Amino acid sequence: GESVGLHLPTLSVQEGDNSIINCAYSNSASDYFIWYKQESGKGPQFIIDIRSNMDKRQGQRVTVLLNKTVKHLSLQIAATQPGDSAVYFCAESPTGYSTLTFGKGTMLLVSP
Amino acid sequence: DTAVSQTPKYLVTQMGNDKSIKCEQNLGHDTMYWYKQDSKKFLKIMFSYNNKELIINETVPNRFSPKSPDKAHLNLHINSLELGDSAVYFCASSQAGGNNEKLFFGSGTQLSVL
Repeated sequence: GESVGLHLPTLSVQEGDNSIINCAYSNSASDYFIWYKQESGKGPQFIIDIRSNMDKRQGQRVTVLLNKTVKHLSLQIAATQPGDSAVYFCAESPTGYSTLTFGKGTMLLVSP
Repeated sequence: DTAVSQTPKYLVTQMGNDKSIKCEQNLGHDTMYWYKQDSKKFLKIMFSYNNKELIINETVPNRFSPKSPDKAHLNLHINSLELGDSAVYFCASSQAGGNNEKLFFGSGTQLSVL
């Protein structure tokens, strides 16, 4: 299930389940969105991105959905594996602005 | 080969000291960044440089001084370290610095100020 802990929202799933991580963004001018994965002791690693002219994009085992009407982004991970355990961040980039603004992060815990 | 490398990995120091963190990227990118990640994992942009020129300075205290000797390097010097500077600092790079670009991150420098 999903819970909000003291620091990070945490999603706990069983191996093989599908995971959905959600993100609400604030800037309606944002036109580029990215999901990053950060494992313990490492830097954020690119997973998948999507531009605002799309509402869905698929990668290997991952799908990003974008709903601009409600400013919501989600990351779906199919057949979640223990190696998927990490903190996941969404990030947005407004038009004409060259840096990414990161969301709060969600910790995904996958148990065997 | 590591694309974005930063040193040191860990830095433990006393309040009031001056320290530097180095960053190098071998991706041929034009733009480099420093991000700070606090204890709650929140990532916040500090600076960005495009081809050695400062582009973004996000209300960071002037004790923090980035220096870019060439477009492959962006170092971060911190004067008079304070307890609140304790965090993980990430260097990153992107191809041209325009929007709609993904950033490539280093593995971070964990700074602990005692």
